[in-house]
Amino acid sequence: KQEVTQIPAALSVPEGENLVLNCSFTDSAIYNLQWFRQDPGKGLTSLLLIQSSQREQTSGRLNASLDKSSGRSTLYIAASQPGDSATYLCAVRVNTGNQFYFGTGTSLTVIP
Amino acid sequence: ETGVTQTPRHLVMGMTNKKSLKCEQHLGHNAMYWYKQSAKKPLELMFVYNFKEQTENNSVPSRFSPECPNSSHLFLHLHTLQPEDSALYLCASSQDTEYGYTFGSGTRLTVV
Repeated sequence: KQEVTQIPAALSVPEGENLVLNCSFTDSAIYNLQWFRQDPGKGLTSLLLIQSSQREQTSGRLNASLDKSSGRSTLYIAASQPGDSATYLCAVRVNTGNQFYFGTGTSLTVIP
Repeated sequence: ETGVTQTPRHLVMGMTNKKSLKCEQHLGHNAMYWYKQSAKKPLELMFVYNFKEQTENNSVPSRFSPECPNSSHLFLHLHTLQPEDSALYLCASSQDTEYGYTFGSGTRLTVV
């Protein structure tokens, strides 16, 4: 069974800092990987989707990379802002079936 | 709105009540999902529907009963729940396996 781990569980940074969130998965036979953002008590907002054949995806200040062979993905956030404060979740879709496996998330606080 | 609408947003119910959660997607997707999110735990997949057919049921207790009358609507019928069933219930949809999930805002369920 695929296991997804996100480290650190919580992160606090001053505004303006660049930061990296980490996601690792145990089975490299993945179809794609998706990063989400979740605000307290709310649903998940999709940030970036990386197909297994891709190395990275970019959207604005966000850049997600994927290294399938090592079972790792990173989410880079440039010039962090207080509005970036949220929990960031990584989810991996395996080659068989229709299920995403989720990590427990990294809770990010950006201090003004 | 994300294109996936969940109602109600909040629900408080007694252990002997019967209630239903509703999910509707306006994206033309062919798969819909129910996830449960409890504190400090990864999202747990409950049910998957592909083209209205249930394809996965992750050992969910029978007090949770899904219904998918068409590819745009998904229900979760609840009866005789337990306090430990209190959680955020999230609905998602996707188009095939090449694309990621789109989530609704969730229903916060409290069982008293």
